[in-house]
Amino acid sequence: DSGVTQTPKHLITATGQRVTLRCSPRSGDLSVYWYQQSLDQGLQFLIQYYNGEERAKGNILERFSAQQFPDLHSELNLSSLELGDSALYFCASSPSVTGGNEQYFGPGTRLTVT
Amino acid sequence: QKEVEQDPGPLSVPEGAIVSLNCTYSNSAFQYFMWYRQYSRKGPELLMYTYSSGNKEDGRFTAQVDKSSKYISLFIRDSQPSDSATYLCAMSATSGGSYIPTFGRGTSLIVHP
Repeated sequence: DSGVTQTPKHLITATGQRVTLRCSPRSGDLSVYWYQQSLDQGLQFLIQYYNGEERAKGNILERFSAQQFPDLHSELNLSSLELGDSALYFCASSPSVTGGNEQYFGPGTRLTVT
Repeated sequence: QKEVEQDPGPLSVPEGAIVSLNCTYSNSAFQYFMWYRQYSRKGPELLMYTYSSGNKEDGRFTAQVDKSSKYISLFIRDSQPSDSATYLCAMSATSGGSYIPTFGRGTSLIVHP
């Protein structure tokens, strides 16, 4: 158990809908990262937050947004969902702001868009 | 050409074998090199990371980085059926003060009794 929690575990929704994925980092970790994992693209970095502020952005679609709250939990919002958004979404946390060498992943949220 | 290339496998070995997993990369700016293990339907688990070139050992696992060849390896000694998983290499370079990892697609390893 990495200490990172994600909810929900599974989500099934229809095209055009909006969903929110939630992540709680390990105790003491200030950095949160979001990733998308699909069979054809592998693990893709979406966005990083550090202590409430956006730090780095990857290949995140404009339909997707995220935020990190004062209690350090983070939410990833996916809107106008398309079939191609079906994937595993992982959150990871790190003890440092630079963090790229040491990340701890949550169990993921499996999103299915029908 | 992808920044990080990793053979997807599957790689099937008998229990007790030495396993060699490899990745090549094209970005010479990468400074941190990591290996993650991912069991089916679980999140990736960090095994080890190294900074720049050299070797690092942790129990049955040894990571090697050859920056001149842009090649990294993970060796698993005395492999066990419980090592059966997908192994992801990852590498990071600084981006505005953050090190954002780029992952390989993963190699599926099967260790059979």
